[in-house]
Order: sequence, then structure tokens, then C-alpha cells
Amino acid sequence: DQQVKQNSPSLSVQEGRISILNCDYTNSMFDYFLWYKKYPAEGPTFLISISSIKDKNEDGRFTVFLNKSAKHLSLHIVPSQPGDSAVYFCAASGRETSGSRLTFGEGTQLTVNP
Amino acid sequence: KAGVTQTPRYLIKTRGQQVTLSCSPISGHRSVSWYQQTPGQGLQFLFEYFSETQRNKGNFPGRFSGRQFSNSRSEMNVSTLELGDSALYLCASTLTSGKEAFFGQGTRLTVV
Repeated sequence: DQQVKQNSPSLSVQEGRISILNCDYTNSMFDYFLWYKKYPAEGPTFLISISSIKDKNEDGRFTVFLNKSAKHLSLHIVPSQPGDSAVYFCAASGRETSGSRLTFGEGTQLTVNP
Repeated sequence: KAGVTQTPRYLIKTRGQQVTLSCSPISGHRSVSWYQQTPGQGLQFLFEYFSETQRNKGNFPGRFSGRQFSNSRSEMNVSTLELGDSALYLCASTLTSGKEAFFGQGTRLTVV
């Protein structure tokens, strides 16, 4: 049972344009959502997060949008840069769990072309 | 501020052996979690330790175990290794009240 899904395995965009990465979840107990970026053979790097009490959170070039009714979140990167090329993981944490336990999506490979 | 440190970075073991991986969290972080990443299963939660106690556990067999020391450093042990245990094992640390997990570079385990 895949509770967090990233339906696009890959995305290719031009440098300077917007990258939009999508994520869907099924567990209504999830109340905190995170995005991570990962290069091969390295650990994921935390990018941005959002609580379920918000619908938008912005940090520099990165903005995360949360649509609770649709159980959908997205990460916008504007403008996209070649250094943004990596695998992006969406992750969720539930209010029924004390502490930190993240459920991850399968990841989306973003390629930003110069 | 030093990040999460995992040792060793690479490891090759034979089926049936056991292995111990080590993780030092970010200073001040008391929660340590372990994840397994494989091409077929993605990133999966193994367990979390807080104040030397296991606080959460994923769906892995009992061959996978862990512990945490009083300085918050953690170890993960896998006994009776199987070929399917070949994976990148990631450790993450979290502030006591936080949800954001910060990951180490991982240990690449290959079982032959």
C-alpha cells in the first residue's frame, strides 16, 4: 500500500523556467509534509516542509503548495537551475506517530537543461 | 555545525554474516532514525530511537535491530545477511520536537 505517490518518475525543464513536482497521499492522518533532494550515492537533503494547517510555504526559489481536500502537494522551483538536477522525494509524517517517522514517495528525477 | 556522520561509507559482506553500521547525529539532536533505500522499494523506514529507546518501528524482520547510546549515537545491526539486504542504509537525526529529518550520506552495503 503506497501511501505517498509521485506519479512522474522524471521531469525535464529548461533552465530559467518553472519546475513543478507533484505528490499525492492517501493517509488522512498525515499532517506534515516535506520535500527532499537527493544526488546519487548521497543522503537526501531537506528542502522545505509544510504543516497541514497551511496551504503554502515559500523559501527562496522553492514553494510548496498543499491541497488537503485533494490530498495533493506540489513543489515549485522558480527559476530552475542546472544544479537543481537531482531526484526529489516527497515525504509525509502522521499525527498518530510520536517522533519522526517519514513515509516517502518513489521520487521524481528532475533534469534542468542549460 | 557538523552534519550526520555515518560509518563506514561502503561495506561488502557475505550471505549469512552480520553487519553493524554506525551513525552520529547532529549535535543536540536526540532522535535517530534509520532508512533502507533500494531500487525496487524506495526509501523505507526501519526504526527510530530517542533517549536510548526504540520509539517507532517499521515493517522489517527481526534480523534488523538497532540501539542508541547515551550520547545519542546509534548503531544498526543486520544478522544473517541475505542478498536482498543489499541497499543504501541512511541514518537521519531530528530535534526532539521537530519533524524535519537530516540525513547522513549513507552506508552502501553489498551482500555477495
